[in-house]
Amino acid sequence: EAQVTQNPRYLITVTGKKLTVTCSQNMNHEYMSWYRQDPGLGLRQIYYSMNVEVTDKGDVPEGYKVSRKEKRNFPLILESPSPNQTSLYFCASSLIAQTLNTGELFFGEGSRLTVL
Amino acid sequence: QQQVKQSPQSLIVQKGGISIINCAYENTAFDYFPWYQQFPGKGPALLIAIRPDVSEKKEGRFTISFNKSAKQFSLHIMDSQPGDSATYFCAAPRLNDYKLSFGAGTTVTVRA
Repeated sequence: EAQVTQNPRYLITVTGKKLTVTCSQNMNHEYMSWYRQDPGLGLRQIYYSMNVEVTDKGDVPEGYKVSRKEKRNFPLILESPSPNQTSLYFCASSLIAQTLNTGELFFGEGSRLTVL
Repeated sequence: QQQVKQSPQSLIVQKGGISIINCAYENTAFDYFPWYQQFPGKGPALLIAIRPDVSEKKEGRFTISFNKSAKQFSLHIMDSQPGDSATYFCAAPRLNDYKLSFGAGTTVTVRA
């Protein structure tokens, strides 16, 4: 089954404790991206990766890092989480960046993070 | 910085009624406007999309209408069903980069 898999789905942590949210897709997609979803703000892009060689910041990259060492995986790293990073996070992928213009963006089921 | 303005934030409709969600965009690189549907506990999924070489696209009970001169597009859900209860996001491709700008979302509740 074609899918984007995120782990963990739920996490409660404390300020400053490093954490990683994993993302893996099995569709051989080049493009991957992370979003956060907050009430009233919709989906905001954190980071994206055009392919394994190109990664760039989205609209809200502060406090986050990413890594794209292989095509299928795109982990999101919070080096020192803070309460304002409490949110619902989505990983998404697309065949290539250009297919964003056709709306073919596939999302994972989300990771709800709470930072105390 | 949100480049797509979506309204209303939420709406309640009776079963069989019509749900209407509106979006307005600023400049966009490409003329392709998707709508995503998100059920509770799930990720968004592509519902329907329109290219503005047509002013309207219909798929089942879902219709997108597009007004290029006004830079607006809308989603109509006809004969709304309880299973349509979800959050709906409009999106538009941004200028100069490979990103989609999403609206803030509309939570639709269909009462039986």
